[in-house]
Amino acid sequence: SSELTQDPAVSVALGQTVRITCQGDSLRSYYASWYQQKPGQAPVLVIYGKNNRPSGIPDRFSGSSSGNTASLTITGAQAEDEADYYCNSRDSSGNLVVFGGGTKLTVL
Amino acid sequence: EVQLVESGGGLVQPGGSLRLSCAASGFTVSSNYMSWVRQAPGKGLEWVSVIYSGGSTYYADSVKGRFTISRDNSKNTLYLQMNSLRAEDTAVYYCARTYDFWSGYWFDPWGQGTLVTVSS
Repeated sequence: SSELTQDPAVSVALGQTVRITCQGDSLRSYYASWYQQKPGQAPVLVIYGKNNRPSGIPDRFSGSSSGNTASLTITGAQAEDEADYYCNSRDSSGNLVVFGGGTKLTVL
Repeated sequence: EVQLVESGGGLVQPGGSLRLSCAASGFTVSSNYMSWVRQAPGKGLEWVSVIYSGGSTYYADSVKGRFTISRDNSKNTLYLQMNSLRAEDTAVYYCARTYDFWSGYWFDPWGQGTLVTVSS
């Protein structure tokens, strides 16, 4: 079982704001990174570090963290944001890497 | 352009072996951390292994002792040797450049993946 916990599914109305969360003890020590994966495609990094976006990622994507919970926020969700989202971090021992179970985002 | 291209996947019987390759372009594999991450059909992502620029390697408990990560600097290619394969190793295997800083641990970019199917 994963040391990072995500809600299996979340929905948002087109143009509205949605927050996807990731919980785990290791997040008290390490920032989470976030990936977007569309069907049949490889994951794409959308947020890393405290709140950094790789080149080409829209600024509607942002990250935050508090205690043992990391959040990915999409402000003004678009139809093309419909995808699976995964968080990752080091595990609580600091030696290995873990992923959350993923959240399926539906844009209504 | 930074790019990763995996190859070597296929159908293998339980107990068999397979070697995956990941050819990199646009950057030097040996100067970076590199990982393998897998995804079973319809399931989430699972980290498999990492090799650091200095050569240190680490493995998920699920593959430790069966899988070996390595690289060929002359070919700028990452490998994953998989032995004693089990049905539960069936997955798409991705290679990814890896970043490990105090601020976090992330993968970017990812290859397109190669499918490994373990079945009799």
